[in-house]
Amino acid sequence: LAKTTQPISMDSYEGQEVNITCSHNNIATNDYITWYQQFPSQGPRFIIQGYKTKVTNEVASLFIPADRKSSTLSLPRVSLSDTAVYYCLVVTSGNTPLVFGKGTRLSVIA
Amino acid sequence: NAGVTQTPKFQVLKTGQSMTLQCAQDMNHNSMYWYRQDPGMGLRLIYYSASEGTTDKGEVPNGYNVSRLNKREFSLRLESAAPSQTSVYFCASSPRTRQGKGLYEQYFGPGTRLTVT
Repeated sequence: LAKTTQPISMDSYEGQEVNITCSHNNIATNDYITWYQQFPSQGPRFIIQGYKTKVTNEVASLFIPADRKSSTLSLPRVSLSDTAVYYCLVVTSGNTPLVFGKGTRLSVIA
Repeated sequence: NAGVTQTPKFQVLKTGQSMTLQCAQDMNHNSMYWYRQDPGMGLRLIYYSASEGTTDKGEVPNGYNVSRLNKREFSLRLESAAPSQTSVYFCASSPRTRQGKGLYEQYFGPGTRLTVT
């Protein structure tokens, strides 16, 4: 399984763009990168998934460089409600279960 | 469409008592999972089921048993609760098949907060 490394915590002011970078140096050819968001007292929620280059949806953008050894989750103009823990995971082929690390605790300040 | 439901929401047990946590999904998903989350920690996988009738151990299976009753339901049983099992338990489901086909997006329930005294 590809191990992921991401910052433990980040702070941001409302209205700023937040970029959370995750490293996954031993990602395999068929692996995908996926991100989840967890609010306090709730289960995680899927945000976005990608294989390479850039993926964008209504919540976030995901940037993956050509070597795929890292990825960056970009949250545009964060608000207080974006305060949460964000998990970066590598999805392998087959049905190998996801491995959640400790994630990045994002605190948005007014 | 309720998604993933879990019962109960809260439970307090005494050491040595047993109980079953219930989980059901109405999305016709193939795979189901049980996680535990301790304060300030990420989620750790207890058991998972890639299809009806099959179960596999995850990272922390000791002290737990599971049962995939049918495609919709996946229960987690604590036979003799210990204080170390105090945690929040999350159930999740995914369209992923045992052969690795289908989306791997997991949908989580609201969690069960268990305290063992």
